[in-house]
Amino acid sequence: GESVGLHLPTLSVQEGDNSIINCAYSNSASDYFIWYKQESGKGPQFIIDIRSNMDKRQGQRVTVLLNKTVKHLSLQIAATQPGDSAVYFCAVPQTGANNLFFGTGTRLTVIP
Amino acid sequence: EAQVTQNPRYLITVTGKKLTVTCSQNMNHEYMSWYRQDPGLGLRQIYYSMNVEVTDKGDVPEGYKVSRKEKRNFPLILESPSPNQTSLYFCASRLTVDTEAFFGQGTRLTVV
Repeated sequence: GESVGLHLPTLSVQEGDNSIINCAYSNSASDYFIWYKQESGKGPQFIIDIRSNMDKRQGQRVTVLLNKTVKHLSLQIAATQPGDSAVYFCAVPQTGANNLFFGTGTRLTVIP
Repeated sequence: EAQVTQNPRYLITVTGKKLTVTCSQNMNHEYMSWYRQDPGLGLRQIYYSMNVEVTDKGDVPEGYKVSRKEKRNFPLILESPSPNQTSLYFCASRLTVDTEAFFGQGTRLTVV
């Protein structure tokens, strides 16, 4: 079946440094990928998405890279701030169904 | 403001006492889902709905029911709650299967 996995359960970075959070997926037919941020006590919040016809997409301080060859995507956060501390999930829609497969998440801690 | 609203935010109940968690969205989305979030297991889909009166099982449907009598509401029903249903629950909605999902703030349920 389809699955999504994140490479590191935790990540600590110094304030101002760049953060990279990785995610792998199993289904080569997947064509849409989403990154969510979940702060303590809140629901997941959309950060950025990318479709399979792209290999890079940039938002405000965030960049998502997609490598379809190895079925891997990453979220890069530039100049990480304390407010970026949260759990980050990648999500991949199940092909042909209303389901999102989520990775188990990477907890990002920003050290002031 | 576009949002998904769940109630209650916190609930403690006893085994076997029927309960309903409400979910409402104001974005006119057709697709709605319920997820549970457990440590180490990430977010798993319980039930989903693709339109009014159209619902289907997700990955972990046992012990749950849903209904979709109108587009904006998608309540989650636990007819006879058990302690293994203690979890954090999220309702989500989205416009299509390949767009981002919007999540509610979550309902923390404890069954004793």
